[in-house]
Amino acid sequence: GDKVKQSPSALSLQEGTNSALRCNFSIAATTVQWFLQNPRGSLINLFYLVPGTKENGRLKSTFNSKESYSTLHIRDAQLEDSGTYFCAAEANTGNYKYVFGAGTRLKVIA
Amino acid sequence: DAGVTQTPRHEVAEKGQTIILKCEPVSGHNDLFWYRQTKIQGLELLSYFRSKSLMEDGGAFKDRFKAEMLNSSFSTLKIQPTEPKDSAVYLCASSWDSQNTLYFGAGTRLSVL
Repeated sequence: GDKVKQSPSALSLQEGTNSALRCNFSIAATTVQWFLQNPRGSLINLFYLVPGTKENGRLKSTFNSKESYSTLHIRDAQLEDSGTYFCAAEANTGNYKYVFGAGTRLKVIA
Repeated sequence: DAGVTQTPRHEVAEKGQTIILKCEPVSGHNDLFWYRQTKIQGLELLSYFRSKSLMEDGGAFKDRFKAEMLNSSFSTLKIQPTEPKDSAVYLCASSWDSQNTLYFGAGTRLSVL
């Protein structure tokens, strides 16, 4: 089954509105990273999280390890926020490796 | 500092050929990863190196995929022989260590005819 499940799978937002993306984990995640894959295909790191919350401009992310989820909040969405958002959880195994979710495709419309 | 550099950006191969993809990690990073991205399977880990030592060889990808890291600033991924199902984007990423941000290269888009 899906070790990292992202929701929603796709989302359309009006410019200037807010939304939240979510990742649920069925593995014992110790850290989480969020990425944006832009239309050119480049994966850009947005956040690296241990349990807690981080904020960067219009983006805010929380990682709750006890309840096994992470959220990414987008405030005042802009056209350039369009792309696919991925979360990745570090699996708590001997050789660490990140397990990626399937992504949320976000389209911001004017 | 330069980011992760991957070459070539695009590769077209015929079934049965051998292809080699290249990656230069961020200078000073100790961990290097190879991922494959397809629409159906998403991002799948192929190989993971720590300080040039192979830590993870991707299980199901072992038979025709071989990643090497001959020095700390260069890695290759060899696919031999290629099959049409190998068509995908191959991404290389690096990080300082397990407690740090992953940086991705722009990827190599492979098409196998």
